[in-house]
Amino acid sequence: DTGVSQNPRHKITKRGQNVTFRCDPISEHNRLYWYRQTLGQGPEFLTYFQNEAQLEKSRLLSDRFSAERPKGSFSTLEIQRTEQGDSAMYLCASSPDRGNQPQHFGDGTRLSIL
Amino acid sequence: SQQGEEDPQALSIQEGENATMNCSYKTSINNLQWYRQNSGRGLVHLILIRSNEREKHSGRLRVTLDTSKKSSSLLITASRAADTASYFCATAPLGGYQKVTFGTGTKLQVIP
Repeated sequence: DTGVSQNPRHKITKRGQNVTFRCDPISEHNRLYWYRQTLGQGPEFLTYFQNEAQLEKSRLLSDRFSAERPKGSFSTLEIQRTEQGDSAMYLCASSPDRGNQPQHFGDGTRLSIL
Repeated sequence: SQQGEEDPQALSIQEGENATMNCSYKTSINNLQWYRQNSGRGLVHLILIRSNEREKHSGRLRVTLDTSKKSSSLLITASRAADTASYFCATAPLGGYQKVTFGTGTKLQVIP
């Protein structure tokens, strides 16, 4: 068990550029989650996958955001035409497919928009 | 939106003292979880308490849950400098385990 891995750890980009983050969950975990965390706040839910199916999306996830988990293993989160307000820590978590299980988090990708 | 609110927002104590953090939430829950986050890192799960449980212990951690008041507390006994971190409560709604909602966090500083 190597834990949840996220890449890159840091991303600095200019406004208007596209960025993509990757998350590798714990291998036996069917559930995968994306969160966004801004300074001084708790994580805010963005979206959730059960295997390859994206089952829920937050209203925070505008049309510029898209997430995929094509083979039910790793997931990617893409932000198109980045804006200043997208600057945040993007966290990925995974959990087993049964009730009352905690989520295991990666160390996140910190996005800075210049 | 944040479901829970932690209180206090920040707490500074001496090593060896106990630290108590409180969490209030708004809607009925299936379970409540506490997480720790060190600066610049991801969240680490500490303890999960189900809605039909009132108290749970894990090492130096003690969590209570009062569903009638929609509140929970996390007690860390005999604190250590390594306990310095932000602590978040997270609630899983009735009928669903997958979408937990985090509170705003308590920033704990333990002074050696």
